[in-house]
Amino acid sequence: GDSVTQMEGPVTLSEEAFLTINCTYTATGYPSLFWYVQYPGEGLQLLLKATKADDKGSNKGFEATYRKETTSFHLEKGSVQVSDSAVYFCALSRGGYNKLIFGAGTRLAVHP
Amino acid sequence: EAGVAQSPRYKIIEKRQSVAFWCNPISGHATLYWYQQILGQGPKLLIQFQNNGVVDDSQLPKDRFSAERLKGVDSTLKIQPAKLEDSAVYLCASSMIQGSGNTIYFGEGSWLTVV
Repeated sequence: GDSVTQMEGPVTLSEEAFLTINCTYTATGYPSLFWYVQYPGEGLQLLLKATKADDKGSNKGFEATYRKETTSFHLEKGSVQVSDSAVYFCALSRGGYNKLIFGAGTRLAVHP
Repeated sequence: EAGVAQSPRYKIIEKRQSVAFWCNPISGHATLYWYQQILGQGPKLLIQFQNNGVVDDSQLPKDRFSAERLKGVDSTLKIQPAKLEDSAVYLCASSMIQGSGNTIYFGEGSWLTVV
């Protein structure tokens, strides 16, 4: 069945460091791919998405490119801030019912 | 625009007791989801409604969990009797329409602890 695999956390970075969180997926057909973020004490928020191969999603300085050849959707940010500390979830949806399948999440901690 | 509303935010119950969670989706959203998020894991879909009909409940433990969405608007998720392993955050979400790629909006969740 469909699945999403993320790099394990926690990821600990200093402010202004470069961030990469790896995400790979297994799915038949052409899923849509998402990154959601969960700040402490809050619900899941959509960070960015891409709905077809080679699409790049971007938001708040974060980017991810849908790579069908490597079945990946890695999240990147050039310069992280303390306020980016959160748990990041990679997810996919496929088919007409738009059911999201999530990875286990990666916790990011950014220190001043 | 108001987001997805959930209540209660926190609940502690003893095992074998019952609990109910309520969700009000974003106005006009036809699709409603209930997800279970166990600590340290990603959310898992329990049930999905399209208007007031169920389109996917394949991972809902039907011997103890039930959900309804009367009139195609708000929804209730019930657990009876609760087990220790039901301790989790129960997330309600909604989207305007079905179809891969449409944005799904989540509520803040209802945190359940079963002791």
